Amino acid sequence: EIVLTQSPAILSLSPGERATLSCRASQSVHNYFAWYQQKPGQAPRLLIYDASIRAAGIPARFSGSGSGTDFTLTISSLEPEDFAVYYCQQRGYWPLTFGGGTKVEIK
Amino acid sequence: EVQLLESGGDLVQPGGSLRLSCAASGFNFRGYAMSWVRQAPGKGLEWVSVISGSDGSTVYADSVKGRFTISRDNSKNTLFLQMNSLRADDTAVYYCATLGWIRGPPTKDYWGQGTLVTVSA
Repeated sequence: EIVLTQSPAILSLSPGERATLSCRASQSVHNYFAWYQQKPGQAPRLLIYDASIRAAGIPARFSGSGSGTDFTLTISSLEPEDFAVYYCQQRGYWPLTFGGGTKVEIK
Repeated sequence: EVQLLESGGDLVQPGGSLRLSCAASGFNFRGYAMSWVRQAPGKGLEWVSVISGSDGSTVYADSVKGRFTISRDNSKNTLFLQMNSLRADDTAVYYCATLGWIRGPPTKDYWGQGTLVTVSA
């Protein structure tokens, strides 16, 4: 099973600041990699797929990079609605796996 | 408008069974592989199972293999999850979602609102 390790677990930032979230895979998943955002009481929402492609309707302040085992989600300037939990996910191998999540909270 | 509507969640005793349903509308259901993903209270996301859109191929997480069965009825645009031998650690919100297939083309992102399964005596 591919293990995805996200860091940090909690990121405390202020609106307008830049957020950098990391995810490391236990083996290469090539670019079969995605980032999701989840707010309390809601289903997850796809932000980035294939490591770097923004999903439909996702603002340009969200960007993804990386390949193989190391991936990064960057939010260039945090908006109030961006404070949420972010999960990485791989679809290179069965079983599909998610990272443990990074909570982006208001400082 | 795309909708995925889960139902069937309930309180069940350990060892019991439950069948979840996910009614889809607004998109070409038979063209999508469909997954179940669960989230225990206050915890992260865990993928449970997937079924392909066409030939009905299935894959399961080890944690549910042999106890859960995924199926679909493309004529009724409905996905199912039969859950047997339920355990306390199966307690979670269960989502149906279009996560696609490994190494396949990217798929549009559709999720239901979730249905709560509670396993407790």
